[in-house]
Amino acid sequence: KNEVEQSPQNLTAQEGEFITINCSYSVGISALHWLQQHPGGGIVSLFMLSSGKKKHGRLIATINIQEKHSSLHITASHPRDSAVYICAVRSKYGGSQGNLIFGKGTKLSVKP
Amino acid sequence: DTAVSQTPKYLVTQMGNDKSIKCEQNLGHDTMYWYKQDSKKFLKIMFSYNNKELIINETVPNRFSPKSPDKAHLNLHINSLELGDSAVYFCASSQHGLAGGNPPPGANVLTFGAGSRLTVL
Repeated sequence: KNEVEQSPQNLTAQEGEFITINCSYSVGISALHWLQQHPGGGIVSLFMLSSGKKKHGRLIATINIQEKHSSLHITASHPRDSAVYICAVRSKYGGSQGNLIFGKGTKLSVKP
Repeated sequence: DTAVSQTPKYLVTQMGNDKSIKCEQNLGHDTMYWYKQDSKKFLKIMFSYNNKELIINETVPNRFSPKSPDKAHLNLHINSLELGDSAVYFCASSQHGLAGGNPPPGANVLTFGAGSRLTVL
């Protein structure tokens, strides 16, 4: 089992819908990243968070360290939000300290 | 003015050849990384450099060697290419490294290059 699990794997939504993508992890972490990979392949870092909540425009990311869970929310979704959203955690311990461990991504498609 | 630039964007080559992918960042970041994204779109770190020092080295084949002539460049050399090396390789940088410490907010946000798609025939 992967140390970082995302759900759902695929998500189709209508324009305007509120979207939630979930990320659960099993390792101790010092930070969690949300990344966006565009259909053309480019990757953009959206958030890095270690506690609480961050907001940027229509995007909101939350993390619960005790429950080892993070969510990425998109309000008033738009077709241009269509992309793969990737959760990645920065391991806190052991030989992989500092490495980013990636989830397999959630492919979001927003229909007009 | 691209922050992290990789060249080439596409590379098609034969098995057994040696090839390089170049990466340059103009952000003044301290740390640069190479990631591999396989055919299933799964990203995995290969290694990173901080001030010319290798600080993370995942168990990648020694046919892969990172070379950093200066803080702004981290090139990826691959010898004796194999079919399984076909993937998209992403370069990235961050202001500080990801290993330990307590960096200021935003310091570890990664900036990615556009990716280099390598196809080995």
